[in-house]
Amino acid sequence: DAGVTQSPTHLIKTRGQQVTLRCSPKSGHDTVSWYQQALGQGPQFIFQYYEEEERQRGNFPDRFSGHQFPNYSSELNVNALLLGDSALYLCASSGTGAGNTEAFFGQGTRLTVV
Amino acid sequence: LAKTTQPISMDSYEGQEVNITCSHNNIATNDYITWYQQFPSQGPRFIIQGYKTKVTNEVASLFIPADRKSSTLSPPRVSLSDTAVYYCLVGANTDKLIFGTGTRLQVFP
Repeated sequence: DAGVTQSPTHLIKTRGQQVTLRCSPKSGHDTVSWYQQALGQGPQFIFQYYEEEERQRGNFPDRFSGHQFPNYSSELNVNALLLGDSALYLCASSGTGAGNTEAFFGQGTRLTVV
Repeated sequence: LAKTTQPISMDSYEGQEVNITCSHNNIATNDYITWYQQFPSQGPRFIIQGYKTKVTNEVASLFIPADRKSSTLSPPRVSLSDTAVYYCLVGANTDKLIFGTGTRLQVFP
């Protein structure tokens, strides 16, 4: 049973460009969340998708957008990249319903903006 | 605002007992306490979760006093491979997990 998979693992982009990161959730999970982790900091919540809709959003600008597909996989898009967007981007999946209090994280995508 | 407070770092030696504390004074009635472990360049990994008293699994023990305003993570006698960042979180579900800066545990030989 594959866990959460993210692609690509590393990415280098130029300031002003756009980037798309991808995530496949753990089998049986229908909810996907995205986090940004700057060096030396804890992960910060970007947004969460459930039933192809954005259900919750953290304190991130509209340059950050996402999508969830019918197979529950998800994409994170960042437009007009800034140097400060350089970070490890983590995808987490979870199930719904009572008792689903454990989130499973992927290995992350390391984005470097130059 | 972070909902939890932890020491920034801790040092230990192989084979020693370690207690990583976490303060969560404003924990809500329906919040659980969950600990994650993170190695460099990897995503966080769930370790243990509890509501009150003591919980033990194959990875660690979690001690929660009656007032639930704090918790203590206690791995078995640590090894070099336990060197990681440990995060304490409180919440009722997996929506919008709020991570603090965590506790960086360094285990020396």
